[in-house]
Amino acid sequence: EVQLVESGGVAIQPGGSLRLSCVASGFSFREYTMHWVRQPPGGGLEWVALIFWEGGNTYYADSVKGRFTISRDNSQNSVYLQMNSLTTDDTALYYCAKGQRPYSGYGALDFWGQGTLVPVSS
Amino acid sequence: VLTQSPSASASLGASVKLTCTLANGPSDYAIAWHQHQPGKGPRYLMKLNGDGSHSKGDGIPDRFSGSSSGAERYLLISSLQSDDEGDYYCQTWGPGVHLLFGGGTKLTVL
Repeated sequence: EVQLVESGGVAIQPGGSLRLSCVASGFSFREYTMHWVRQPPGGGLEWVALIFWEGGNTYYADSVKGRFTISRDNSQNSVYLQMNSLTTDDTALYYCAKGQRPYSGYGALDFWGQGTLVPVSS
Repeated sequence: VLTQSPSASASLGASVKLTCTLANGPSDYAIAWHQHQPGKGPRYLMKLNGDGSHSKGDGIPDRFSGSSSGAERYLLISSLQSDDEGDYYCQTWGPGVHLLFGGGTKLTVL
């Protein structure tokens, strides 16, 4: 059974930094592109970042480019999101999600975590 | 850009068709449909191709199906149950957009 478990979300002040983690199980993690997706309060789903299976290619939404960094450790079946210079606009539920096809950079997301909440407020 | 109506409603036991419109792109693009209910992580429903063929996620009931017409992608839910209430998102992907969601449709079962 595929499982994605996010952690690391805590209340934080504007300008602060936070690192989210997602531990995966139930599939061959090193073969799949992984994503972070967020949902602000009252809003829809917004893609944040992706990292290819080998970790060599990363892409970001314009809203987080230069502030967020996605990384992965295939030996730990984990993907991370380092978030710096946080603003109130970053307040959201952050989800980790798995790409559907192995060794493919783009495609449908076929499994999601339960999310971790990041409230940014002074 | 993916366009979805903000809301839809249908009666218990009836059918509903949700629409996702692809703008500024080839009409053969595939999309995915996801269901998102309060307090839960989103759930992948299916990948829907431009020709209307689709492949569903694990455990998705036969009541859920998809179809396509030109730039429109549809999610059809039959025999509506109260548990089908929630938000439904379409999603697309590619080297240019990387990954993109529609605005979501909030489905109410009356």
